[in-house]
Amino acid sequence: TQLLEQSPQFLSIQEGENLTVYCNSSSVFSSLQWYRQEPGEGPVLLVTVVTGGEVKKLKRLTFQFGDARKDSSLHITAAQPGDTGLYLCAGQASGSARQLTFGSGTQLTVLP
Amino acid sequence: NAGVMQNPRHLVRRRGQEARLRCSPMKGHSHVYWYRQLPEEGLKFMVYLQKENIIDESGMPKERFSAEFPKEGPSILRIQQVVRGDSAAYFCASSPVLEASGNTIYFGEGSWLTVV
Repeated sequence: TQLLEQSPQFLSIQEGENLTVYCNSSSVFSSLQWYRQEPGEGPVLLVTVVTGGEVKKLKRLTFQFGDARKDSSLHITAAQPGDTGLYLCAGQASGSARQLTFGSGTQLTVLP
Repeated sequence: NAGVMQNPRHLVRRRGQEARLRCSPMKGHSHVYWYRQLPEEGLKFMVYLQKENIIDESGMPKERFSAEFPKEGPSILRIQQVVRGDSAAYFCASSPVLEASGNTIYFGEGSWLTVV
């Protein structure tokens, strides 16, 4: 069974601060996706990373996939209250299996 | 381009009744997935379907739960004789044809089932 450990579980910071969320596993993933989920809604895709060492930027968000494709990080620069939400990482195994294994999520609160 | 459409968004059922949740994938997507999010827990895979075929149902409870994705019409997740423990958010997701390096999966807004 593949597991994804996400940390921290909760994070409360002031507007303007930087933060990093981590997603770690002992398993190798063919791709890894980051989602953001608001209460009462479905996960919204932020990014997909597929290559070891890959770095993708989405405005103030920077996503990195580990060289060994076992871990990933999400870094937010100058956080804003609008960044508040539940951030989820999800890995997809190699081969024909297409199911996503989700981390437990990081609940981010950015205080004005 | 419409996203993954789920209905109903909210459903209340009494214990012992049946719940039917529907999902229309994004246009052009032939792969459908169902995930369940229990209160205070993460998203867990249930089943993966293509048109008229169940590809992987390893996450689906063996009893009372079934899923289908007919040639025409939406995918349906059916829960028979619901119990309170079935209360959860059920998310449908879809993706296009298989890509070599993994697939991006898009989620619907979910169907919230409450069993009373």
